[in-house]
Amino acid sequence: DAGVTQSPTHLIKTRGQQVTLRCSPISGHKSVSWYQQVLGQGPQFIFQYYEKEERGRGNFPDRFSARQFPNYSSELNVNALLLGDSALYLCASSLGPASSYEQYFGPGTRLTVT
Amino acid sequence: RKEVEQDPGPFNVPEGATVAFNCTYSNSASQSFFWYRQDCRKEPKLLMSVYSSGNEDGRFTAQLNRASQYISLLIRDSKLSDSATYLCVVNIGSGAGSYQLTFGKGTKLSVIP
Repeated sequence: DAGVTQSPTHLIKTRGQQVTLRCSPISGHKSVSWYQQVLGQGPQFIFQYYEKEERGRGNFPDRFSARQFPNYSSELNVNALLLGDSALYLCASSLGPASSYEQYFGPGTRLTVT
Repeated sequence: RKEVEQDPGPFNVPEGATVAFNCTYSNSASQSFFWYRQDCRKEPKLLMSVYSSGNEDGRFTAQLNRASQYISLLIRDSKLSDSATYLCVVNIGSGAGSYQLTFGKGTKLSVIP
């Protein structure tokens, strides 16, 4: 079975631009979460979606938004990019939103903002 | 105080050694606890969940002390393949409705031949 997939793998953008990152969960998983990992730090929670509804939001500015589609895939959008947005963006999927379900991470999208 | 704090590391240990990682968390309402492993430039992978009664998986033993808000991971008989960054993770989501993992910065382990 395929794991969590993310696209693109790498991305270079300029300050002020907008970016869309994509995630396809494991088949049968209905919950998707997004994390930002800056070099030398642990991942930081951005959003969780379950059945197309936002179930959790971390401490990120409104420039960050996300959505989940009927097929449970998800997109993360970041507007007005800043240099500090350079990071590895990780998507994780799980069967459901509860803590009893293990989260499986994708390989991430490495975003560089210049 | 950071939500999840870990030993700064790095830990450099010889093969066969026993190594222990410690972690404290600040949110007493935390629901569940995990150790994740992350290899260089790879995604985090669940190593084990941590239960109040303590749990063991082969060479790995995890302990939780809710009163002290403290989590530990013990690795016995270290292997070269154990070299990685170990992330202490706490779920502060509201039970069945949400799932919000809070990660520590991680502790880097290098097992030396």
